[in-house]
Amino acid sequence: SAVISQKPSRDICQRGTSLTIQCQVDSQVTMMFWYRQQPGQSLTLIATANQGSEATYESGFVIDKFPISRPNLTFSTLTVSNMSPEDSSIYLCSVEPLTVGSYEQYFGPGTRLTVT
Amino acid sequence: AQTVTQSQPEMSVQEAETVTLSCTYDTSENNYYLFWYKQPPSRQMILVIRQEAYKQQNATENRFSVNFQKAAKSFSLKISDSQLGDTAMYFCAITGTASKLTFGTGTRLQVTL
Repeated sequence: SAVISQKPSRDICQRGTSLTIQCQVDSQVTMMFWYRQQPGQSLTLIATANQGSEATYESGFVIDKFPISRPNLTFSTLTVSNMSPEDSSIYLCSVEPLTVGSYEQYFGPGTRLTVT
Repeated sequence: AQTVTQSQPEMSVQEAETVTLSCTYDTSENNYYLFWYKQPPSRQMILVIRQEAYKQQNATENRFSVNFQKAAKSFSLKISDSQLGDTAMYFCAITGTASKLTFGTGTRLQVTL
């Protein structure tokens, strides 16, 4: 497994502003992912954070709204831009360790975002 | 495309009893992996158990076991000797070789005294 931390753990933001969420892993990993969990809902994949190249976004999510960086094999950021109350969610990063063929993903503790 | 269906929004079980959570899925891939995740009120997603589709043997992790029926596309989770700490949301999930997890809507499990 891997130890994953996220910052901040929670935040309250005003509409129209942006928030950057950080995800740090204690070991090098191949894959890093960002998920959104809206209140009382399941998790939805936003994008795959690729090291050294642009993130790969899922249908319904765009780079202008959710820019992602991944400068190395242990760190990634997700920015939620021009926020609206509909962006109020828990944002989770996950990682797939380097173990070949495991396909297991381990999650960070999440960032609870409230937009007012 | 992959889909996961959890038809039990809520379940309750008494401490020390056994409970089974249901999950069905659909996928067009031949190689895929199935998981159960637990999310307690702390919101930390915890991997409970995983099953490789190519393995016929059902996975087991201590008090947690699965009943994997590939032809029926069914993947249920059995929790034996339920404990208060098992109270949580349980999500069934599937991934193929692209490593993209698709989650079900979850089952809220309450363990009571």
